[in-house]
This record gives sequence, C-alpha cells and structure tokens, in this order.
Amino acid sequence: DIQMTQSPSSLSASIGDRVTITCRASQGIRNDLGWYQQKPGKAPKRLIYAASSLQSGVPSRFSGSGSGTEFTLTISSLQPEDFATYYCLQHNSYPWTFGQGTKVDIK
Amino acid sequence: QVQLVQSGSELKEPGASVKLSCKTSGYTFSSYAINWVRHAPGQGLEWMGWMNTNTRNPTYAQGFTGRFVFSMDTSVSTAYLQISSLKAEDTAVYYCARGYGGTSAAEYWGQGTLVTVSS
Repeated sequence: DIQMTQSPSSLSASIGDRVTITCRASQGIRNDLGWYQQKPGKAPKRLIYAASSLQSGVPSRFSGSGSGTEFTLTISSLQPEDFATYYCLQHNSYPWTFGQGTKVDIK
Repeated sequence: QVQLVQSGSELKEPGASVKLSCKTSGYTFSSYAINWVRHAPGQGLEWMGWMNTNTRNPTYAQGFTGRFVFSMDTSVSTAYLQISSLKAEDTAVYYCARGYGGTSAAEYWGQGTLVTVSS
C-alpha cells in the first residue's frame, strides 16, 4: 500500500498569511493526487486535482504543485473561510490512501 | 447537476446491522465508480473501497472485509453500504464519493451518514 505522510498535522495562522501543507508518498504516484478541504459536519470538498489543477469554482489563492512523491498545497493569503482541515488523497493505485490531515486554525 | 444524496442518521445497538444508501443523479450511474469513505470521531478520512458500477464488482480495503458489503441498484441509480455485527468502533460518518482514478477521482461527495453504535 502507498503511505501518504502529511505535514504538519496542525498549524496556527493569521488572516493574510501564506500557508503551505505537504504530502509525501511512499512511492511514486505521478500526479494522481487531490487536495480536499473539510469543515466540521461537512463533506470533504475537492480543491485541487491532478496535483496542480484548480477545481472549478475554487478561489485562485489555492494552488497545488508536485509530482512523483512530493506534493504541496499552498494558500497564498489565508481568509477566514479557509480555517478547516485539509487532506491529500492518492488515487494512483488501490487502496487509495489519504494523508493524516492538517488542521488550520486561527492564531 | 451531479448529486449524491445519502440516507439519514442511524442509531443502532451493538450486534445489529445497518444499510446506508447513496442515491445519485445528474449523470449515468454506470459510468463512474462509487467509493466509500469512513470518518470516525477525531480521526482522519479512511478509504473503505469501491464499487465498480459497470461490472458490479466491489473491492474492499484491508480492514473492511467480512462485515462490510457494497451493493447497487442501477434501476434507481443508488449504491449501498451494509455493515453487519455493528461495534462501537463503527461509529462514524460514512461518505460516498463518485469517480474512478484520473481527473474524476472523488470529485463529487454525498453529504455523509452518521452511524452511531450504542446500547
């Protein structure tokens, strides 16, 4: 199974901060990775697909990069509605696996 | 528009069974897989497996074999997750999500069904 190691597990940030979250895959997954935002009591929402493509309707302050084993989600200027938990998901091979999640809260 | 609508919350006693539904609309049901994801309290997301809606073949992740059964009814564009011999540790929100790999992977999600197992 492919392991996804996500870091950090949590972070505190202020409005307007630049935030970076990383996922490392235990083996190469090409660009078969998505990033998801989840708010309490809500379903995950896909932000990024194919590692770097912005999902329709998602603000451009969100961006993704990487390929192979190293991937990054960046929020260029954190907004109040961005406080949530973020997950990466690899779908290169079964079983699909999620990162452990990163909780972003207010400093 | 694509929609996945899941059945309502369930409260079950240990040892009971539960069957959750994921009703889809806005696309051809057999064109996309249905994945199932568990979110236990205080934990991360866990992929449970998927139903190939074209071949009707289910695939289960390790840890979700035996008591967990995926099924489907094409006539009503609905996928199902049945859990038997419920345990307290099955308490979680269960999500369905549409898509095979590639750009469609887990693009659309149901709203989730909370299953609470308690005596």
